Amino acid sequence: GAVVSQHPSRVICKSGTSVKIECRSLDFQATTMFWYRQFPKQSLMLMATSNEGSKATYEQGVEKDKFLINHASLTLSTLTVTSAHPEDSSFYICSATGQGPYYGYTFGSGTRLTVV
Amino acid sequence: QQQVKQSPQSLIVQKGGISIINCAYENTAFDYFPWYQQFPGKGPALLIAIRPDVSEKKEGRFTISFNKSAKQFSLHIMDSQPGDSATYFCAARPGGSNYKLTFGKGTLLTVNP
Repeated sequence: GAVVSQHPSRVICKSGTSVKIECRSLDFQATTMFWYRQFPKQSLMLMATSNEGSKATYEQGVEKDKFLINHASLTLSTLTVTSAHPEDSSFYICSATGQGPYYGYTFGSGTRLTVV
Repeated sequence: QQQVKQSPQSLIVQKGGISIINCAYENTAFDYFPWYQQFPGKGPALLIAIRPDVSEKKEGRFTISFNKSAKQFSLHIMDSQPGDSATYFCAARPGGSNYKLTFGKGTLLTVNP
């Protein structure tokens, strides 16, 4: 089955620094990737959608300059949290889908970001 | 505006019982309805999905029932096991490819031994 690898699984960083999270599709070409943020006991909140080779489309209220998304290849997307602050601490999850109207969505295992 | 309403918020079931989670949607353009299972600290994993041209789909102990006229779909977990204890999310997506999923708020299922 389709596999999406997300790294790191946990990261602790100091306030003001930047953190990069990687999401790789291992056995299929991910034409579209999605980045979500999830708070405890809540649903997934879509942050942005990225298509390979194009600029990401951000959801309303998501700061583009803070959450930089790059989808340079069909197997890799990255989310960089710039100048992180404690309020950015959260669980970040990526999802990828391939070509076709009924291609499923495969999720990564998530990244727990803690900003201290 | 919540486009997919999920209920109940939490559910407690005895081992061997049937767990039922319901979702209702408003957007008639939705044509793909997946259910995801999420364990604490992990990403969601696809359980089962259905398209609107069928009324029911079964995979092992998991069944989706779909009522297009009522714009509702539900997940049934037969012979529920303690290992099924997790959060379940329904979702929906409009027709076409690579459109974003709209998620329900989730149901925390606890299966007591």
